[in-house]
Amino acid sequence: EVQLVQSGAEVKKPGESLKISCKGSGYRFPSYWIGWVRQMPGKGLEWLGIIYPGDSDTRYSPSFQGQVTMSADKSINTAYLQWSSLKASDTAIYYCARHRLSNEDYNYSLDVWGQGTTVTVSS
Amino acid sequence: EIVLTQSPDTLSLSPGERATLSCRASQTIRNTYLAWYQQKPGQAPRLLIYGASSRATGIPDRFSGGGSGTDFTLTISRLEPEDFGVYYCQQYGSFLFTFGPGTKVDIK
Repeated sequence: EVQLVQSGAEVKKPGESLKISCKGSGYRFPSYWIGWVRQMPGKGLEWLGIIYPGDSDTRYSPSFQGQVTMSADKSINTAYLQWSSLKASDTAIYYCARHRLSNEDYNYSLDVWGQGTTVTVSS
Repeated sequence: EIVLTQSPDTLSLSPGERATLSCRASQTIRNTYLAWYQQKPGQAPRLLIYGASSRATGIPDRFSGGGSGTDFTLTISRLEPEDFGVYYCQQYGSFLFTFGPGTKVDIK
Protein backbone atom coordinates (compact mmCIF):
# COMPACT_ATOMS: atom_id res chain seq x y z
CA GLU A 1 0.00 0.00 0.00
CA VAL A 2 1.30 3.43 -0.96
CA GLN A 3 1.34 5.56 2.16
CA LEU A 4 2.67 8.81 3.60
CA VAL A 5 2.91 9.04 7.38
CA GLN A 6 3.57 12.40 8.98
CA SER A 7 5.04 13.32 12.35
CA GLY A 8 2.83 14.31 15.24
CA ALA A 9 1.27 17.58 16.32
CA GLU A 10 3.54 20.37 17.51
CA VAL A 11 3.00 23.30 19.86
CA LYS A 12 5.66 25.99 19.64
CA LYS A 13 6.30 29.57 20.68
CA PRO A 14 6.93 32.42 18.24
CA GLY A 15 10.56 32.59 17.22
CA GLU A 16 11.23 28.89 17.77
CA SER A 17 12.40 26.55 15.03
CA LEU A 18 10.61 23.43 13.86
CA LYS A 19 11.10 20.52 11.46
CA ILE A 20 8.24 18.17 10.60
CA SER A 21 8.54 14.95 8.63
CA CYS A 22 6.74 12.79 6.11
CA LYS A 23 7.75 9.17 5.54
CA GLY A 24 6.79 7.36 2.36
CA SER A 25 6.29 3.64 1.88
CA GLY A 26 4.97 1.25 -0.73
CA TYR A 27 6.54 3.00 -3.70
CA ARG A 28 9.91 4.10 -5.03
CA PHE A 29 10.32 7.25 -2.92
CA PRO A 30 13.28 8.83 -4.77
CA SER A 31 11.38 8.80 -8.08
CA TYR A 32 8.37 10.93 -7.20
CA TRP A 33 8.11 14.59 -6.35
CA ILE A 34 6.78 15.17 -2.85
CA GLY A 35 5.45 18.44 -1.56
CA TRP A 36 3.61 20.33 1.12
CA VAL A 37 0.20 21.98 1.41
CA ARG A 38 -0.93 24.35 4.15
CA GLN A 39 -4.46 24.64 5.52
CA MET A 40 -4.98 27.44 7.99
CA PRO A 41 -7.88 27.05 10.45
CA GLY A 42 -11.18 27.08 8.59
CA LYS A 43 -9.52 27.97 5.28
CA GLY A 44 -8.65 26.40 1.95
CA LEU A 45 -5.58 24.66 0.59
CA GLU A 46 -2.34 26.53 -0.17
CA TRP A 47 0.55 24.91 -2.05
CA LEU A 48 4.02 25.53 -0.57
CA GLY A 49 6.35 23.68 -2.91
CA ILE A 50 7.87 20.37 -3.95
CA ILE A 51 11.12 18.45 -3.74
CA TYR A 52 12.43 15.57 -5.85
CA PRO A 53 14.12 13.21 -3.38
CA GLY A 54 16.26 11.62 -6.08
CA ASP A 55 18.38 14.74 -6.53
CA SER A 56 16.86 17.21 -4.01
CA ASP A 57 15.70 19.57 -6.77
CA THR A 58 13.33 21.92 -4.93
CA ARG A 59 10.71 24.35 -6.23
CA TYR A 60 8.87 26.79 -3.99
CA SER A 61 5.69 28.73 -4.44
CA PRO A 62 6.64 32.43 -4.71
CA SER A 63 4.37 33.03 -1.71
CA PHE A 64 6.44 30.73 0.50
CA GLN A 65 9.96 31.18 -0.89
CA GLY A 66 12.20 32.14 2.02
CA GLN A 67 9.54 31.34 4.60
CA VAL A 68 10.12 27.57 4.81
CA THR A 69 12.78 25.07 3.79
CA MET A 70 12.11 21.69 2.23
CA SER A 71 14.52 18.78 2.31
CA ALA A 72 14.51 15.03 1.83
CA ASP A 73 16.60 12.01 2.84
CA LYS A 74 16.10 9.33 0.20
CA SER A 75 17.99 6.77 2.28
CA ILE A 76 15.13 6.72 4.80
CA ASN A 77 12.29 7.71 2.42
CA THR A 78 11.54 10.86 4.38
CA ALA A 79 10.77 14.44 3.42
CA TYR A 80 10.95 17.41 5.75
CA LEU A 81 9.50 20.89 6.11
CA GLN A 82 11.23 23.32 8.43
CA TRP A 83 10.98 26.81 9.84
CA SER A 84 13.84 28.76 11.40
CA SER A 85 11.64 31.24 13.26
CA LEU A 86 7.95 30.48 13.64
CA LYS A 87 5.21 33.11 13.67
CA ALA A 88 1.67 32.87 14.99
CA SER A 89 0.48 33.03 11.39
CA ASP A 90 2.23 29.68 10.73
CA THR A 91 -0.50 27.99 12.79
CA ALA A 92 -2.09 25.47 10.42
CA ILE A 93 -2.36 21.86 9.34
CA TYR A 94 0.46 20.91 6.99
CA TYR A 95 -0.08 18.03 4.59
CA CYS A 96 2.59 16.28 2.61
CA ALA A 97 1.52 14.79 -0.71
CA ARG A 98 3.06 12.76 -3.49
CA HIS A 99 2.98 14.79 -6.66
CA ARG A 100 2.55 13.37 -10.12
CA LEU A 101 4.14 15.31 -12.95
CA SER A 102 3.66 12.84 -15.72
CA ASN A 103 3.38 13.42 -19.43
CA GLU A 104 2.95 9.67 -19.88
CA ASP A 105 -0.48 9.44 -18.27
CA TYR A 106 -1.34 13.15 -18.42
CA ASN A 107 -1.35 13.33 -14.66
CA TYR A 108 -0.36 16.52 -12.84
CA SER A 109 -1.92 16.05 -9.46
CA LEU A 110 -1.38 15.17 -5.80
CA ASP A 111 -2.35 11.53 -5.70
CA VAL A 112 -1.36 10.37 -2.21
CA TRP A 113 -1.67 12.48 0.93
CA GLY A 114 -0.35 12.21 4.44
CA GLN A 115 -2.68 12.50 7.41
CA GLY A 116 -1.55 16.06 8.22
CA THR A 117 0.54 17.61 10.99
CA THR A 118 -1.07 20.29 13.14
CA VAL A 119 1.33 23.09 14.02
CA THR A 120 0.23 25.56 16.68
CA VAL A 121 2.34 28.66 17.34
CA SER A 122 1.32 30.60 20.42
CA SER A 123 2.99 32.54 23.17
CA GLU B 1 0.36 33.24 -11.94
CA ILE B 2 -2.92 31.58 -12.91
CA VAL B 3 -5.77 32.18 -10.45
CA LEU B 4 -8.63 29.72 -10.04
CA THR B 5 -12.12 30.74 -8.98
CA GLN B 6 -14.83 28.27 -8.00
CA SER B 7 -18.58 28.63 -7.95
CA PRO B 8 -20.83 28.48 -6.17
CA ASP B 9 -19.28 28.99 -2.75
CA THR B 10 -21.84 26.61 -1.25
CA LEU B 11 -24.20 24.12 -2.86
CA SER B 12 -27.07 22.83 -0.72
CA LEU B 13 -28.53 19.64 -2.14
CA SER B 14 -30.33 16.48 -1.10
CA PRO B 15 -29.04 12.92 -1.51
CA GLY B 16 -29.88 11.65 -4.98
CA GLU B 17 -29.65 15.08 -6.61
CA ARG B 18 -27.11 16.10 -9.25
CA ALA B 19 -24.29 18.47 -8.29
CA THR B 20 -22.45 20.63 -10.81
CA LEU B 21 -19.38 22.51 -9.57
CA SER B 22 -17.52 25.09 -11.62
CA CYS B 23 -13.82 26.02 -11.75
CA ARG B 24 -12.66 28.95 -13.86
CA ALA B 25 -9.02 29.82 -14.62
CA SER B 26 -7.70 33.34 -15.23
CA GLN B 27 -5.84 32.03 -18.31
CA THR B 28 -6.21 29.05 -20.60
CA ILE B 29 -4.73 25.88 -19.12
CA ARG B 30 -4.09 22.48 -20.62
CA ASN B 31 -6.71 19.87 -19.70
CA THR B 32 -3.93 17.61 -18.45
CA TYR B 33 -3.07 20.20 -15.81
CA LEU B 34 -6.47 20.31 -14.05
CA ALA B 35 -7.45 18.14 -11.08
CA TRP B 36 -10.24 17.94 -8.49
CA TYR B 37 -10.15 16.94 -4.82
CA GLN B 38 -12.66 16.16 -2.11
CA GLN B 39 -12.07 17.01 1.54
CA LYS B 40 -14.26 15.91 4.40
CA PRO B 41 -14.05 17.50 7.88
CA GLY B 42 -11.02 16.34 9.81
CA GLN B 43 -9.58 14.44 6.84
CA ALA B 44 -6.87 15.00 4.29
CA PRO B 45 -7.98 15.86 0.76
CA ARG B 46 -8.51 12.98 -1.69
CA LEU B 47 -7.79 13.06 -5.40
CA LEU B 48 -10.94 12.54 -7.47
CA ILE B 49 -10.14 13.62 -11.03
CA TYR B 50 -6.91 14.33 -12.90
CA GLY B 51 -6.32 15.45 -16.47
CA ALA B 52 -9.69 17.25 -16.22
CA SER B 53 -11.70 14.05 -16.84
CA SER B 54 -9.84 10.93 -15.66
CA ARG B 55 -11.06 9.37 -12.43
CA ALA B 56 -8.41 8.49 -9.86
CA THR B 57 -8.12 4.92 -8.62
CA GLY B 58 -11.16 3.81 -6.66
CA ILE B 59 -13.32 6.83 -7.44
CA PRO B 60 -16.95 5.88 -8.25
CA ASP B 61 -18.27 6.63 -11.71
CA ARG B 62 -20.89 9.04 -10.38
CA PHE B 63 -18.00 11.55 -10.32
CA SER B 64 -17.10 13.01 -13.69
CA GLY B 65 -14.99 15.92 -14.86
CA GLY B 66 -15.17 17.99 -17.99
CA GLY B 67 -14.39 21.28 -19.62
CA SER B 68 -11.49 22.90 -21.41
CA GLY B 69 -9.63 26.16 -21.83
CA THR B 70 -10.61 28.27 -18.83
CA ASP B 71 -13.86 26.57 -17.76
CA PHE B 72 -14.01 23.20 -16.04
CA THR B 73 -16.73 21.31 -14.21
CA LEU B 74 -17.03 18.51 -11.69
CA THR B 75 -20.34 16.67 -11.79
CA ILE B 76 -21.66 14.27 -9.19
CA SER B 77 -24.53 12.50 -10.92
CA ARG B 78 -26.43 11.35 -7.84
CA LEU B 79 -25.26 12.58 -4.46
CA GLU B 80 -24.62 9.97 -1.80
CA PRO B 81 -24.48 10.91 1.91
CA GLU B 82 -20.70 10.41 1.92
CA ASP B 83 -20.22 12.97 -0.90
CA PHE B 84 -20.85 16.00 1.28
CA GLY B 85 -17.73 18.05 1.92
CA VAL B 86 -15.53 20.66 0.25
CA TYR B 87 -14.30 20.28 -3.32
CA TYR B 88 -11.19 21.97 -4.66
CA CYS B 89 -9.89 22.33 -8.18
CA GLN B 90 -6.14 22.56 -8.80
CA GLN B 91 -4.01 23.57 -11.76
CA TYR B 92 -0.35 23.07 -12.64
CA GLY B 93 2.09 25.15 -14.64
CA SER B 94 5.89 25.36 -14.68
CA PHE B 95 6.51 23.56 -11.37
CA LEU B 96 3.81 25.58 -9.65
CA PHE B 97 0.54 24.17 -8.37
CA THR B 98 -2.38 26.32 -7.25
CA PHE B 99 -5.77 25.51 -5.73
CA GLY B 100 -9.12 27.15 -6.10
CA PRO B 101 -10.91 28.44 -2.98
CA GLY B 102 -13.28 25.47 -2.82
CA THR B 103 -17.00 24.73 -3.08
CA LYS B 104 -18.79 23.35 -0.06
CA VAL B 105 -21.46 20.75 -0.81
CA ASP B 106 -23.78 20.37 2.14
CA ILE B 107 -27.00 18.65 2.97
CA LYS B 108 -30.17 20.57 2.23
